[in-house]
Amino acid sequence: EVQLVESGGGLVQPGESLRLSCAASGFTVSTNYMSWVRQAPGKGLEWVSVIYSGDSTYYADSVKGRFTISRDNSKNTLNLQMNSLRTEDTAVYYCARDRGSAYCSGDRCYGVTNEYWGQGTLVTVSS
Amino acid sequence: DIQMTQSPSSLSASVGDRVTITCRASQSISSYLNWYQQKPGKAPKLLIYTASSLQSGVPSRFSGSGSGTDFTLTISSLQPEDSATYYCQQSYITPSFGPGTKVDIK
Repeated sequence: EVQLVESGGGLVQPGESLRLSCAASGFTVSTNYMSWVRQAPGKGLEWVSVIYSGDSTYYADSVKGRFTISRDNSKNTLNLQMNSLRTEDTAVYYCARDRGSAYCSGDRCYGVTNEYWGQGTLVTVSS
Repeated sequence: DIQMTQSPSSLSASVGDRVTITCRASQSISSYLNWYQQKPGKAPKLLIYTASSLQSGVPSRFSGSGSGTDFTLTISSLQPEDSATYYCQQSYITPSFGPGTKVDIK
């Protein structure tokens, strides 16, 4: 059974950093397209980032240069390092596994389809 | 960037009603369109992928159609458990979601 469990959320001040993790079971993180999606309180969904073949990555403009997605294959986990956090980064952060249809190359990603989701972890950025 | 719009933003319908939600992209996205259902406090759930393919385990009362810029999600006979917010997501180039449609049961 595919399971995703996020952790690492919490309250931080603007400008600080936070690292989220997503522990996967029932499949291998290293061989799947994996995404982070976030949802601000009471708002809609916002796709954040994807990691795919090898360690290739792709980011939404809103987090590019501040967030880094990575994988720890030995622990079968997905990570999101978030630096220079802003109040507008306050959200529930979900990790998600693609259904296998995505294709990313260079500056384009096609077919990202988030089939399995974790329960989310709340990040609050406030002074 | 591709902008996604959804209409209506909310609706209220009775059990058994046919419900249609529309999603429009600011440019052609072929059939790179997914639909998700989200209930309060829960993660989104994939319903439809590539515009019209039903995700495994999803009831057949859900269907999707469209291509290019205009898409629809139809619930053929609304059930109480369908009360939720529905999001479309374009997966052409950089993924992005529509603003959502909240469906309530009368």
